[in-house]
Amino acid sequence: KAGVTQTPRYLIKTRGQQVTLSCSPISGHRSVSWYQQTPGQGLQFLFEYFSETQRNKGNFPGRFSGRQFSNSRSEMNVSTLELGDSALYLCASSLVGDQFFGPGTRLTVL
Amino acid sequence: GENVEQHPSTLSVQEGDSAVIKCTYSDSASNYFPWYKQELGKRPQLIIDIRSNVGEKKDQRIAVTLNKTAKHFSLHITETQPEDSAVYFCAASVGSGNTGKLIFGQGTTLQVKP
Repeated sequence: KAGVTQTPRYLIKTRGQQVTLSCSPISGHRSVSWYQQTPGQGLQFLFEYFSETQRNKGNFPGRFSGRQFSNSRSEMNVSTLELGDSALYLCASSLVGDQFFGPGTRLTVL
Repeated sequence: GENVEQHPSTLSVQEGDSAVIKCTYSDSASNYFPWYKQELGKRPQLIIDIRSNVGEKKDQRIAVTLNKTAKHFSLHITETQPEDSAVYFCAASVGSGNTGKLIFGQGTTLQVKP
């Protein structure tokens, strides 16, 4: 089976812009979780989608949002980008609990 | 709130020695505890996990132990090899019933010296 894929792999944006990241889960996996990884804060949970519904949410501001489509692909959106949003954004898909990560999208905000 | 503490932050061992990484979690409802290995520039890779109805699980040179009473769980790597060098993360699920939300420890950088 193909693994979790994320696009794009790298992004450079400026403050105030918005960005959309995409995640395609492993075939058959219905849960997609998103995490932000930074050197200072480590891996922090953003949200989880299951069957097109947000099932869990982390402690991030409303500028961070997501959605899931009927084919389980998920997108996350960050509006009004801030310098502190620079990070590696990872998604993970799971079937019965084990979460498998994608390669991540490296977002740089200038 | 939900929290996972991981120690040590760095660990250096000689090839062939054992390495132990310890984590403590705060949510007594947590019932799923995975461990991830992340090499530089790569995605976190699931290496082993344990569920709350099991006290210990082993997979070749890697083992994980869980003490639910004390809310501790640990990763044990025996006969370490240079390719074990990486950052290791522990995590705990939040709440029971589903494991879609994981809280991660801060990571342990393991260096195995040849």
